[in-house]
Amino acid sequence: RKEVEQDPGPFNVPEGATVAFNCTYSNSASQSFFWYRQDCRKEPKLLMSVYSSGNEDGRFTAQLNRASQYISLLIRDSKLSDSATYLCVVSGPNTGGFKTIFGAGTRLFVKA
Amino acid sequence: DAMVIQNPRYQVTQFGKPVTLSCSQTLNHNVMYWYQQKSSQAPKLLFHYYDKDFNNEADTPDNFQSRRPNTSFCFLDIRSPGLGDAAMYLCATSWGLAQDTQYFGPGTRLTVL
Repeated sequence: RKEVEQDPGPFNVPEGATVAFNCTYSNSASQSFFWYRQDCRKEPKLLMSVYSSGNEDGRFTAQLNRASQYISLLIRDSKLSDSATYLCVVSGPNTGGFKTIFGAGTRLFVKA
Repeated sequence: DAMVIQNPRYQVTQFGKPVTLSCSQTLNHNVMYWYQQKSSQAPKLLFHYYDKDFNNEADTPDNFQSRRPNTSFCFLDIRSPGLGDAAMYLCATSWGLAQDTQYFGPGTRLTVL
């Protein structure tokens, strides 16, 4: 089992749609959780951190479920500019020290 | 203003010819990371420095080395590049390790002929 798993997609949605991504992680000791966005042939950029209480930033909502060891990202009212790969990132203590692990990403295409 | 700078943006080298990739930061962050990312795959951490303390990932090949001469600069040396080392190499920085956001440079795309 991969340490951080994401549905690779692609998700193809029309403008204005609501889309949700899930990410599961295997290390129950994980402490920090993030969603990054990566555009084609560009570097990853932080979209938002994920807190236990859940957090919202405009059209984006992130949630953490520690009991089931997954995080989610909800995008409302999708825009063409939301087309990108969304990377789930999990950090925490691990064998050999502290570790940050990226998921392989979920690709989103928003169509006009 | 660019905060994490990588040079060059594109690097072509020959099989077996050593190559050095450069990363610099203006954020005065303690931690600098090197990742390897191949097409449609997750960034894979090669190693990181916490200040001068070097931390190598267990599965990073010996072919990959790193140097951090000061807070601002970090280098990735690939001693004998193979065809399988062709990838995007991403440098990132963060203040600390745990909850801190990582800021990425634009990456260096390495081609091995």
